[in-house]
Amino acid sequence: QVHLVESGGDLVKPGGSLRLSCAASGFSFSDYLMSWIRQAPGKGLEYISYISESGSSIWYADSVKGRFTISRDNARNSLYFQMSGLGVEDSAVYYCATVRSSSIGYWGQGTLVTVSS
Amino acid sequence: DVVMTQSPLSLSVTLGQSASFSCRSSQSLVHSNGNTYLSWYQQRPGQSPRRLIYKVSSRDSGVPDRFSGSGSGTDFTLKISRVEAEDVGVYYCMQGTDWPLFTFGGGTKVEIK
Repeated sequence: QVHLVESGGDLVKPGGSLRLSCAASGFSFSDYLMSWIRQAPGKGLEYISYISESGSSIWYADSVKGRFTISRDNARNSLYFQMSGLGVEDSAVYYCATVRSSSIGYWGQGTLVTVSS
Repeated sequence: DVVMTQSPLSLSVTLGQSASFSCRSSQSLVHSNGNTYLSWYQQRPGQSPRRLIYKVSSRDSGVPDRFSGSGSGTDFTLKISRVEAEDVGVYYCMQGTDWPLFTFGGGTKVEIK
């Protein structure tokens, strides 16, 4: 059974940094493209980053480009998201997810990031 | 970017009746490989989303056959026949044709009358 468990969400001040982690199990992690998707409180879904199976290809939405960095460790079955220069607009639940057939196959339970002074 | 527009914003349905909602894209979702990458997701209250349908009409494993997807080009529909209480939540469509710029619709909230 596929499990994606995010961690690292916290309350942080504007301008601060945070590192999210996603532990994967129940599938061959290194065979899947992985993504981060976020959902601001009471709002819809925003697809913000992906990393290819080997890590050689990476993409960011304009809203996070230059501030956030996605990475993965296939030996540890883990996905990461280093976030810096956080603003109040980055407050959201962050989901890690698998991508297959150009859609989001599996989602984690999410981790809450709150940016506030 | 491809803009996805869902309607209605919310829907109140009687148990056992059917519900259907629309998703429109600002441009055709037919990929150059002939596939149409339109998927549907259900987000129950307090839960993370889960995929119901991919490539317009392919149902995910474990998804009841009460859920069906249809459509083509720029117009798509998700139908729930015989709505049950567990179907309450928000339903999102998403286009995956314009890779990597996946975009979601704003969602349709389903409530029980």
